[in-house]
Amino acid sequence: DAKTTQPNSMESNEEEPVHLPCNHSTISGTDYIHWYRQLPSQGPEYVIHGLTSNVNNRMASLAIAEDRKSSTLILHRATLRDAAVYYCILRGGSGSARQLTFGSGTQLTVLP
Amino acid sequence: NAGVMQNPRHLVRRRGQEARLRCSPMKGHSHVYWYRQLPEEGLKFMVYLQKENIIDESGMPKERFSAEFPKEGPSILRIQQVVRGDSAAYFCASSTGTGNTGELFFGEGSRLTVL
Repeated sequence: DAKTTQPNSMESNEEEPVHLPCNHSTISGTDYIHWYRQLPSQGPEYVIHGLTSNVNNRMASLAIAEDRKSSTLILHRATLRDAAVYYCILRGGSGSARQLTFGSGTQLTVLP
Repeated sequence: NAGVMQNPRHLVRRRGQEARLRCSPMKGHSHVYWYRQLPEEGLKFMVYLQKENIIDESGMPKERFSAEFPKEGPSILRIQQVVRGDSAAYFCASSTGTGNTGELFFGEGSRLTVL
């Protein structure tokens, strides 16, 4: 699987937007960009995914660069509950449901 | 619809004993994945199973570890003759297997402590 690069840690103030970057310069045309997060002492949870177009859901937005070599997860209004490790993952393959390969992610700290 | 259920949530074993971790996928899900997370480290893929088949076990240690997902019942990750280095959180995830867009749903994990 192609690799992703994320900052080790980021801080945000509560109720402010957060932009979590991810670089994936070796992404292939069939790779989807997935984001998961892991809250302390919990299993990972799905946040959002996309291929080429920007995506929005109730949790977050995903902005994908035109060349697809980078993407940004946007939390519009951070809360203390959003403090977690955020993982940017490329998922490709021949159509089979392959596993996710987690990197080290970005530890997001939300300050009150 | 209940989520992915893992049990036990906490398991303590002495060196040399066996550990069995169970995972019941979400209803309708036929794909199960096991991950291990060592203390202060990231999640490492271990094995991917469909009903009665191991699809990818490239992350599974060659010795002492085995996994199954029978036609009926939960998926089981079995660790024989546990050692202290096996102490970790073991997470199970399930999916419907809809290609590379499908979401993986994770359980709360089973935390194994080897004394």
